[in-house]
Amino acid sequence: SQKIEQNSEALNIQEGKTATLTCNYTNYSPAYLQWYRQDPGRGPVFLLLIRENEKEKRKERLKVTFDTTLKQSLFHITASQPADSATYLCALDPDSNYQLIWGAGTKLIIKP
Amino acid sequence: DTGVSQNPRHKITKRGQNVTFRCDPISEHNRLYWYRQTLGQGPEFLTYFQNEAQLEKSRLLSDRFSAERPKGSFSTLEIQRTEQGDSAMYLCAFGDNEQFFGPGTRLTVL
Repeated sequence: SQKIEQNSEALNIQEGKTATLTCNYTNYSPAYLQWYRQDPGRGPVFLLLIRENEKEKRKERLKVTFDTTLKQSLFHITASQPADSATYLCALDPDSNYQLIWGAGTKLIIKP
Repeated sequence: DTGVSQNPRHKITKRGQNVTFRCDPISEHNRLYWYRQTLGQGPEFLTYFQNEAQLEKSRLLSDRFSAERPKGSFSTLEIQRTEQGDSAMYLCAFGDNEQFFGPGTRLTVL
Protein backbone atom coordinates (compact mmCIF):
# COMPACT_ATOMS: atom_id res chain seq x y z
CA SER A 1 0.00 0.00 0.00
CA GLN A 2 1.05 3.56 -0.51
CA LYS A 3 2.02 5.37 2.64
CA ILE A 4 4.20 7.97 4.33
CA GLU A 5 5.89 7.15 7.62
CA GLN A 6 7.17 9.51 10.25
CA ASN A 7 8.43 8.61 13.71
CA SER A 8 5.32 8.26 15.82
CA GLU A 9 7.16 8.70 19.10
CA ALA A 10 7.93 12.18 20.33
CA LEU A 11 11.49 13.36 19.86
CA ASN A 12 13.10 15.02 22.88
CA ILE A 13 16.10 17.22 22.15
CA GLN A 14 18.20 19.44 24.39
CA GLU A 15 18.15 23.12 23.53
CA GLY A 16 21.01 24.09 21.25
CA LYS A 17 21.34 20.64 19.68
CA THR A 18 20.32 19.62 16.17
CA ALA A 19 16.98 17.90 15.80
CA THR A 20 16.60 15.45 12.90
CA LEU A 21 13.22 14.16 11.79
CA THR A 22 12.64 11.43 9.22
CA CYS A 23 10.01 10.98 6.54
CA ASN A 24 9.91 7.72 4.58
CA TYR A 25 7.53 6.89 1.79
CA THR A 26 6.75 3.87 -0.35
CA ASN A 27 5.27 3.38 -3.80
CA TYR A 28 5.45 7.03 -4.76
CA SER A 29 7.69 8.95 -7.12
CA PRO A 30 6.85 12.50 -6.10
CA ALA A 31 8.14 15.52 -7.96
CA TYR A 32 8.53 17.32 -4.64
CA LEU A 33 8.13 16.90 -0.91
CA GLN A 34 7.14 19.46 1.71
CA TRP A 35 7.54 19.99 5.43
CA TYR A 36 5.04 21.79 7.64
CA ARG A 37 4.91 22.77 11.28
CA GLN A 38 1.71 22.40 13.31
CA ASP A 39 1.05 23.77 16.77
CA PRO A 40 -1.81 22.37 18.91
CA GLY A 41 -5.23 23.54 17.76
CA ARG A 42 -3.89 25.30 14.68
CA GLY A 43 -3.51 24.58 11.00
CA PRO A 44 -0.21 23.43 9.48
CA VAL A 45 2.28 26.12 8.51
CA PHE A 46 4.39 25.65 5.38
CA LEU A 47 8.15 25.53 6.00
CA LEU A 48 10.06 24.14 3.05
CA LEU A 49 9.54 22.46 -0.31
CA ILE A 50 12.24 20.35 -1.95
CA ARG A 51 12.07 19.08 -5.51
CA GLU A 52 13.21 15.68 -6.77
CA ASN A 53 16.24 17.18 -8.50
CA GLU A 54 17.37 18.95 -5.32
CA LYS A 55 19.43 17.08 -2.78
CA GLU A 56 19.31 19.68 -0.08
CA LYS A 57 17.53 22.91 0.76
CA ARG A 58 18.12 25.39 3.57
CA LYS A 59 16.17 28.16 5.21
CA GLU A 60 17.73 29.87 8.21
CA ARG A 61 18.18 27.10 10.84
CA LEU A 62 16.23 24.57 8.79
CA LYS A 63 17.66 22.07 6.35
CA VAL A 64 15.84 19.42 4.31
CA THR A 65 17.36 16.60 2.29
CA PHE A 66 15.58 14.44 -0.27
CA ASP A 67 16.88 11.04 -1.36
CA THR A 68 14.62 9.67 -4.10
CA THR A 69 16.55 6.38 -4.17
CA LEU A 70 16.01 5.72 -0.48
CA LYS A 71 12.56 7.35 -0.69
CA GLN A 72 13.42 9.41 2.34
CA SER A 73 13.55 13.02 3.44
CA LEU A 74 15.36 14.29 6.51
CA PHE A 75 14.42 17.54 8.24
CA HIS A 76 17.02 19.20 10.45
CA ILE A 77 16.69 22.09 12.89
CA THR A 78 20.07 23.37 14.05
CA ALA A 79 20.63 25.31 17.28
CA SER A 80 17.18 24.17 18.41
CA GLN A 81 15.11 26.37 20.71
CA PRO A 82 12.13 25.61 22.97
CA ALA A 83 10.01 27.68 20.54
CA ASP A 84 10.73 25.02 17.90
CA SER A 85 8.63 22.55 19.90
CA ALA A 86 5.73 21.48 17.68
CA THR A 87 4.57 18.65 15.44
CA TYR A 88 6.31 18.48 12.09
CA LEU A 89 4.52 16.95 9.13
CA CYS A 90 5.83 15.87 5.77
CA ALA A 91 3.62 15.86 2.72
CA LEU A 92 3.95 14.92 -0.92
CA ASP A 93 1.94 15.26 -4.09
CA PRO A 94 2.21 11.85 -5.75
CA ASP A 95 0.22 12.67 -8.87
CA SER A 96 1.30 16.30 -9.24
CA ASN A 97 -2.29 17.45 -8.93
CA TYR A 98 -1.94 19.46 -5.69
CA GLN A 99 -3.66 16.73 -3.64
CA LEU A 100 -1.22 16.33 -0.79
CA ILE A 101 -0.72 13.05 1.03
CA TRP A 102 0.50 13.53 4.61
CA GLY A 103 2.47 11.68 7.22
CA ALA A 104 1.08 11.54 10.75
CA GLY A 105 3.76 13.92 11.99
CA THR A 106 6.47 13.75 14.63
CA LYS A 107 6.13 15.71 17.84
CA LEU A 108 9.35 17.55 18.66
CA ILE A 109 10.06 18.73 22.21
CA ILE A 110 13.02 21.00 22.82
CA LYS A 111 14.00 21.07 26.47
CA PRO A 112 15.71 24.15 27.94
CA ASP B 1 -1.11 34.75 9.78
CA THR B 2 -1.93 33.02 6.47
CA GLY B 3 -4.84 35.28 5.68
CA VAL B 4 -7.37 32.45 5.85
CA SER B 5 -10.21 32.60 8.34
CA GLN B 6 -12.55 29.75 9.23
CA ASN B 7 -15.84 29.94 11.06
CA PRO B 8 -16.89 28.73 13.46
CA ARG B 9 -13.69 27.73 15.23
CA HIS B 10 -15.54 25.15 17.30
CA LYS B 11 -18.82 23.37 16.71
CA ILE B 12 -20.55 20.89 18.97
CA THR B 13 -23.58 19.15 17.53
CA LYS B 14 -25.76 16.17 18.17
CA ARG B 15 -25.66 13.15 15.92
CA GLY B 16 -28.02 13.50 13.01
CA GLN B 17 -27.85 17.30 12.79
CA ASN B 18 -26.50 19.21 9.80
CA VAL B 19 -23.51 21.54 10.13
CA THR B 20 -21.93 24.07 7.80
CA PHE B 21 -18.45 25.52 7.95
CA ARG B 22 -17.10 28.53 6.13
CA CYS B 23 -13.63 29.38 4.83
CA ASP B 24 -12.62 32.90 3.76
CA PRO B 25 -9.27 33.69 2.21
CA ILE B 26 -8.37 37.36 2.60
CA SER B 27 -7.44 37.66 -1.04
CA GLU B 28 -8.77 35.61 -3.89
CA HIS B 29 -6.83 32.51 -4.85
CA ASN B 30 -7.53 30.08 -7.65
CA ARG B 31 -7.18 26.88 -5.66
CA LEU B 32 -8.92 26.17 -2.36
CA TYR B 33 -8.74 22.85 -0.50
CA TRP B 34 -10.62 21.15 2.31
CA TYR B 35 -8.94 18.62 4.60
CA ARG B 36 -10.00 16.64 7.63
CA GLN B 37 -7.63 15.88 10.47
CA THR B 38 -8.12 13.59 13.46
CA LEU B 39 -5.97 13.52 16.56
CA GLY B 40 -2.51 12.13 15.98
CA GLN B 41 -2.92 11.97 12.20
CA GLY B 42 -1.96 14.15 9.31
CA PRO B 43 -4.60 15.97 7.28
CA GLU B 44 -6.65 13.91 4.82
CA PHE B 45 -7.58 15.49 1.52
CA LEU B 46 -11.35 15.90 1.01
CA THR B 47 -11.86 18.12 -2.02
CA TYR B 48 -10.53 21.09 -3.91
CA PHE B 49 -11.73 23.94 -6.08
CA GLN B 50 -10.16 25.84 -8.88
CA ASN B 51 -12.05 29.09 -8.84
CA GLU B 52 -15.70 28.02 -8.45
CA ALA B 53 -15.29 24.58 -10.02
CA GLN B 54 -14.98 21.58 -7.73
CA LEU B 55 -12.35 19.50 -9.50
CA GLU B 56 -11.61 16.60 -7.20
CA LYS B 57 -13.36 14.77 -4.41
CA SER B 58 -11.78 12.14 -2.22
CA ARG B 59 -13.38 8.76 -1.83
CA LEU B 60 -13.48 9.70 1.85
CA LEU B 61 -16.15 12.27 1.02
CA SER B 62 -19.44 10.47 1.45
CA ASP B 63 -22.72 11.69 0.00
CA ARG B 64 -23.40 13.44 3.30
CA PHE B 65 -20.62 15.92 2.56
CA SER B 66 -21.00 18.76 0.08
CA ALA B 67 -18.80 21.74 -0.63
CA GLU B 68 -19.35 24.90 -2.62
CA ARG B 69 -17.37 27.90 -3.73
CA PRO B 70 -20.03 29.99 -5.42
CA LYS B 71 -18.04 33.03 -6.49
CA GLY B 72 -14.55 31.62 -6.47
CA SER B 73 -13.73 33.32 -3.19
CA PHE B 74 -15.14 31.91 0.07
CA SER B 75 -16.14 28.26 0.40
CA THR B 76 -18.57 26.28 2.53
CA LEU B 77 -18.46 22.66 3.63
CA GLU B 78 -21.72 21.08 4.77
CA ILE B 79 -22.11 17.77 6.56
CA GLN B 80 -25.61 16.34 6.66
CA ARG B 81 -26.85 13.84 9.24
CA THR B 82 -23.65 14.03 11.24
CA GLU B 83 -22.17 10.90 12.75
CA GLN B 84 -19.77 10.54 15.67
CA GLY B 85 -17.07 9.51 13.21
CA ASP B 86 -17.27 12.96 11.65
CA SER B 87 -15.67 14.45 14.76
CA ALA B 88 -12.42 16.01 13.57
CA MET B 89 -10.68 19.24 12.69
CA TYR B 90 -11.77 20.55 9.30
CA LEU B 91 -9.10 22.64 7.61
CA CYS B 92 -9.21 24.74 4.52
CA ALA B 93 -6.15 25.87 2.60
CA PHE B 94 -5.23 27.75 -0.52
CA GLY B 95 -2.19 27.72 -2.77
CA ASP B 96 -0.51 25.54 -5.32
CA ASN B 97 2.54 23.49 -4.46
CA GLU B 98 2.79 25.27 -1.12
CA GLN B 99 -0.45 25.37 0.79
CA PHE B 100 -1.49 27.91 3.39
CA PHE B 101 -3.97 26.78 5.99
CA GLY B 102 -6.64 28.40 8.05
CA PRO B 103 -6.94 27.74 11.79
CA GLY B 104 -9.54 25.01 11.28
CA THR B 105 -12.99 24.25 12.64
CA ARG B 106 -13.09 21.62 15.34
CA LEU B 107 -16.28 19.55 15.09
CA THR B 108 -17.50 17.40 17.96
CA VAL B 109 -20.48 15.16 17.29
CA LEU B 110 -22.14 13.88 20.45
